[in-house]
Amino acid sequence: QLQQWGAGLLKPSETLSLKCAVYGGTFSGNYWSWIRQPPGKGLEWIGEVNYSGASNSNPSLKSRVTISVDTSKNQFYLKLNSVTAADTAVYWCARAPSRGDGYYMDVWGKGTTVIVSS
Amino acid sequence: SYVLTQPPSVSVAPGKTARITCGGNKIGSKSVHWYQQTPGQAPVLVIYYDSDRPSGIPERFSGSNSGNTATLTISRVEAGDEADYYCQVWDSDSDHTLFGGGTKLTVL
Repeated sequence: QLQQWGAGLLKPSETLSLKCAVYGGTFSGNYWSWIRQPPGKGLEWIGEVNYSGASNSNPSLKSRVTISVDTSKNQFYLKLNSVTAADTAVYWCARAPSRGDGYYMDVWGKGTTVIVSS
Repeated sequence: SYVLTQPPSVSVAPGKTARITCGGNKIGSKSVHWYQQTPGQAPVLVIYYDSDRPSGIPERFSGSNSGNTATLTISRVEAGDEADYYCQVWDSDSDHTLFGGGTKLTVL
């Protein structure tokens, strides 16, 4: 089970910060992902982090994204800086059991709506 | 970069078979995963590794993948199948994953 939380209303240029806690199952051995969906649009993969802290992100967001992990708390985090209205979306955390062809998201959080508005 | 192409919409009568396609260059050489998303909800994995079903997903959901097209097939469609469906693959060239644009399934 994944439980996520974070600020839902931001002003342009601020930093989006979301947290996701993992309850049950194995924290190590999985890849922990962030995905978003702007209103009325499709899904966009933001990035991932593994147990050891190695992260990877969508090239389109790479310069603004930081994904990190705290294994002592079984939590992982998303920071997206310099947000604009285009970052308004529902954000989900999710679990992927492996990378490569086996990278599918089988457990999802409930989602956090983030609105960027002045 | 790799691109996945889905039809924006598919319509089907109850009890019939719906086929949702996902096109990509040599997609048959990749593993394709499919998600169902109803309004206001998180996506749910319905097919992984082209044709495997997670536990709890009805046998009516099946998948195939060959050449440049992967297909999600929903047999004996029910009203509750009305949703958006997304395909997803891993692009090894760019080392990241991506989704298709999504297909809205309407049950007539």
